[in-house]
Amino acid sequence: DAKTTQPTSMDCAEGRAANLPCNHSTISGNEYVYWYRQIHSQGPQYIIHGLKNNETNEMASLIITEDRKSSTLILPHATLRDTAVYYCIVRQPGAQKLVFGQGTRLTINP
Amino acid sequence: EAGVAQSPRYKIIEKRQSVAFWCNPISGHATLYWYQQILGQGPKLLIQFQNNGVVDDSQLPKDRFSAERLKGVDSTLKIQPAKLEDSAVYLCASSSSSGGNIQYFGAGTRLSVL
Repeated sequence: DAKTTQPTSMDCAEGRAANLPCNHSTISGNEYVYWYRQIHSQGPQYIIHGLKNNETNEMASLIITEDRKSSTLILPHATLRDTAVYYCIVRQPGAQKLVFGQGTRLTINP
Repeated sequence: EAGVAQSPRYKIIEKRQSVAFWCNPISGHATLYWYQQILGQGPKLLIQFQNNGVVDDSQLPKDRFSAERLKGVDSTLKIQPAKLEDSAVYLCASSSSSGGNIQYFGAGTRLSVL
């Protein structure tokens, strides 16, 4: 699985959009980008995934660059409950295991 | 829909003792995973089951860790004997192939080895 690089930590004001970047410059053509988050004392939670097109669901939006070497997770109106560690994971189709990096610790400030 | 259930939530033992963790996956999920998460790190896969068969146990320290999923439903992970470095959160997850292989995680068991 391709390696990902994320900032160690980020801050965002409550009510603003939180934009979390992820670099995956060695991604292969058939590998998907997945995002999970882990709130304190809980297990990781799936957020969204995509291949090449931008994706949106009730939790977030995923923007993947045209060359697929990087992506951005967008939480459009961050709340205090969005404070968590966010993991960007690249995964081959059909591969089941998740390889977690260090993730980005996002703190939403009131 | 009930989520992934794990017990106990917390366990404190002394080194060289044994300990067991239990996981009940989401109903109908054929694939079950055990991850180890050391403080400050991301989870690391220990073992993956497909029904009651092992798919991947390459990261499982087999001299002290064992896991089973006898009837293809719930699973137990055992450590015997425990070492100080086994202090971690042990996470169980499950997935189904029809759900895009999205993994659903339990809250984990926090193990402290003294």
